[in-house]
Amino acid sequence: DTEVTQTPKHLVMGMTNKKSLKCEQHMGHRAMYWYKQKAKKPPELMFVYSYEKLSINESVPSRFSPECPNSSLLNLHLHALQPEDSALYLCASSQEWPGPYEQYFGPGTRLTVT
Amino acid sequence: GQNIDQPTEMTATEGAIVQINCTYQTSGFNGLFWYQQHAGEAPTFLSYNVLDGLEEKGRFSSFLSRSKGYSYLLLKELQMKDSASYLCAPSAGNMLTFGGGTRLMVKP
Repeated sequence: DTEVTQTPKHLVMGMTNKKSLKCEQHMGHRAMYWYKQKAKKPPELMFVYSYEKLSINESVPSRFSPECPNSSLLNLHLHALQPEDSALYLCASSQEWPGPYEQYFGPGTRLTVT
Repeated sequence: GQNIDQPTEMTATEGAIVQINCTYQTSGFNGLFWYQQHAGEAPTFLSYNVLDGLEEKGRFSSFLSRSKGYSYLLLKELQMKDSASYLCAPSAGNMLTFGGGTRLMVKP
């Protein structure tokens, strides 16, 4: 199984809402990532988790709060977002981090903030 | 930081060969990935180069020159389904940074 799953596929939320994005992998990978991708732009790294510990936070605003409950699951909690946060949010996993390991991406959650 | 440069768009004909170039400037370089991304979908891994030279995988090949900070992705026998964005991603300091991507349009 080389699949990374993400839910929901689409999400529309108001600026005062609280929502969560979920990501799951069963490849035994010990590194998981969140990326943000705007239209016609490359993915931008937000967070890296290694062995369930937050290893990298790329200066992401606190309205995005990641959580790694176990080695297979990764959540992204959203609160008080801005319209400019509308984007495709991609989850990825790799065998380990650090290291130049191939990253497997999920299909993404397309988020619209109104 | 990193500086990654690849063409924004390319057009090629079905059955032809196309080469997508990527130049990069980075410190702590430890390899370069190429990913394919169809519109509205997730990126999928195509190739990884860590040593100089050509890596061939079916219709796709990738080349790396570390001293020149240069890589290319070669696509042979183009098919319509190859229409996608191709992302060059150098790995440096154990972090992957994606270039802006090259949007390839394959025409009949």
